[in-house]
Amino acid sequence: DAGVTQSPTHLIKTRGQQVTLRCSPKSGHDTVSWYQQALGQGPQFIFQYYEEEERQRGNFPDRFSGHQFPNYSSELNVNALLLGDSALYLCASSQTLGTHSSYNEQFFGPGTRLTVL
Amino acid sequence: QKEVEQNSGPLSVPEGAIASLNCTYSDRGSQSFFWYRQYSGKSPELIMFIYSNGDKEDGRFTAQLNKASQYVSLLIRDSQPSDSATYLCAGDRGSTLGRLYFGRGTQLTVWP
Repeated sequence: DAGVTQSPTHLIKTRGQQVTLRCSPKSGHDTVSWYQQALGQGPQFIFQYYEEEERQRGNFPDRFSGHQFPNYSSELNVNALLLGDSALYLCASSQTLGTHSSYNEQFFGPGTRLTVL
Repeated sequence: QKEVEQNSGPLSVPEGAIASLNCTYSDRGSQSFFWYRQYSGKSPELIMFIYSNGDKEDGRFTAQLNKASQYVSLLIRDSQPSDSATYLCAGDRGSTLGRLYFGRGTQLTVWP
């Protein structure tokens, strides 16, 4: 059973450039969340995709956008890169459950290390 | 005030000892809590989750939840050098949609 996969593993960009990160969720999962983890910090929620739409969003600027495809895979796009965007970008997949459930287990991929110079 | 706070650490214990990791949360609507282990340069790996008051045991790990005190903890018994990692506590703030709020983590070192 394949887990969550992400590509690329590492990426180096310069300020002002644009980047696209990719994620394939764990088999059977239909929901993809993206997190940013700066050095020495916990992951911060960027946004979440379900049924090919952005379902919820954290406190990140519009430079951060995403997409989900019919096969549940997802992309994270960041435009006009800033030095502060340097971080580990994590994709987490989960299965959307019924409204009576409070169980939100998230499985993380290996991450993409983005360095902005 | 951050939604989830962890004692900043770092925490250092000898091999075989009990490591105690603590976490507090501010949103009383939070229902589920998660402990993730993160090795340096790697992604978080889920160790345990808990959503009922009391203790939940899984092997050498015990998670404890006290909703009245808004307190979550993780005990690691018979600590091993391979347990050395950063431990992240996360809560859901009552959301059923899978958004998690993480603390900044506690770095644990188990020395032989």
